[in-house]
This record gives sequence, C-alpha cells and structure tokens, in this order.
Amino acid sequence: DTEVTQTPKHLVMGMTNKKSLKCEQHMGHRAMYWYKQKAKKPPELMFVYSYEKLSINESVPSRFSPECPNSSLLNLHLHALQPEDSALYLCASSQVAETRRRETQYFGPGTRLLVL
Amino acid sequence: DQQVKQNSPSLSVQEGRISILNCDYTNSMFDYFLWYKKYPAEGPTFLISISSIKDKNEDGRFTVFLNKSAKHLSLHIVPSQPGDSAVYFCAAANFGNEKLTFGTGTRLTIIP
Repeated sequence: DTEVTQTPKHLVMGMTNKKSLKCEQHMGHRAMYWYKQKAKKPPELMFVYSYEKLSINESVPSRFSPECPNSSLLNLHLHALQPEDSALYLCASSQVAETRRRETQYFGPGTRLLVL
Repeated sequence: DQQVKQNSPSLSVQEGRISILNCDYTNSMFDYFLWYKKYPAEGPTFLISISSIKDKNEDGRFTVFLNKSAKHLSLHIVPSQPGDSAVYFCAAANFGNEKLTFGTGTRLTIIP
C-alpha cells in the first residue's frame, strides 16, 4: 500500500480566511513533505518533516504554517493568503534516507486551492 | 537556476512503439534519480528510480538509463500504451538531502 491521502480535494478561500490542509499516510514513513505546484510547472518543495520535526523550510512565507502532530499526519495551516498562492498543494511521504540507501517519495492526489 | 531540465515539453508516439523521454542535470552531486508520471488533477505517481552506481534499471515496460559523464538520463517505455499518456517528470536528489529537484516535465501523448 503506497497511499497518501489529502483533504480536501478542492478549497476556495478569501484572503482573510484561515483554513487547513490535511495529509495522512499509514505506510510507517517518517518523512513527510509539502509541495506547491503551479500550472505547467514542476512541484516546488515547501517543507520537510523528519521524525515529526521540521527539517527543511524552503523560505516559505509565514502565512503558510506546517504542523506534524504525529508520524502519520501532516497539516498545512493557511492564513491571509494572496491570490498568487492559488495552486495545487501536494503532500508526499517517504522513509528517512539512511546511509547510501535512497528512499522514494510517494505523493497524494493534492488539494487544489483557489484564493479569491 | 534550473538544475534538472527536460528540453522536450511534449512528445507524441504511436501505440506499440517505443517512447523515449530525456532529462539532463547540471548538479554533479545528484546521486539518485526518479521518474514520476502525472495525470491532470492528480499527484505524481512514482514509476522507476536509479542510483548513480548503476547505469540501467528495468521494471516491466519501463527502463531508465543513466549516463553520468553526460549528466543525462532517459526513460524508455516499450511498448507504449494509451494509458501512458500523461506528463512525465524526472527528479533528482543528492546524498543526505531529502529535497527532490524536479524537471519541467514532458507531456507524452500515445496515438492509438
């Protein structure tokens, strides 16, 4: 089973709203990721959690706030977003890379976000 | 600075023939490469990977070739099927870094 689930599938929000995106995996993976993908562009990494601790923040604006409550769950809290933040938000998970062994990232279906 | 490039934005191939998708990279520290397939409004699906200690990896209809000296990898799909129509991304990572760097994608269309 290589399933990563994301909710909601679609989200429309105003610039003053607060909303959250949720991601879940039950593969025992200890690394989880948030990516942002704009149309006709590759996914761009936003955050990486490793063993429930934030290990990479790709200089993402503070209006995006990640949270990893446990090893299976990853949230992305959204507040005061801008219209240019409209995109597909992808969650991924993997085992943690050790020594020379590489671990594949598995992606969820994404949440399509529209900021009005 | 685009460290991973897919120079062909689109490719059309007849059903049953071979599809060859190409990817070039500039960062010599990359040591692990992956190919993902993406349908519209879905997340990328992992297809196949290769470590820099190998020059070929095969899984069913999919074969990935790595030429380290040329900093080039390719994905071969044989035979191509209509369900293979999708956008294909190559991605690269370097040892000790969890970050994947994606190419810009190639849209593959299989013509029945």
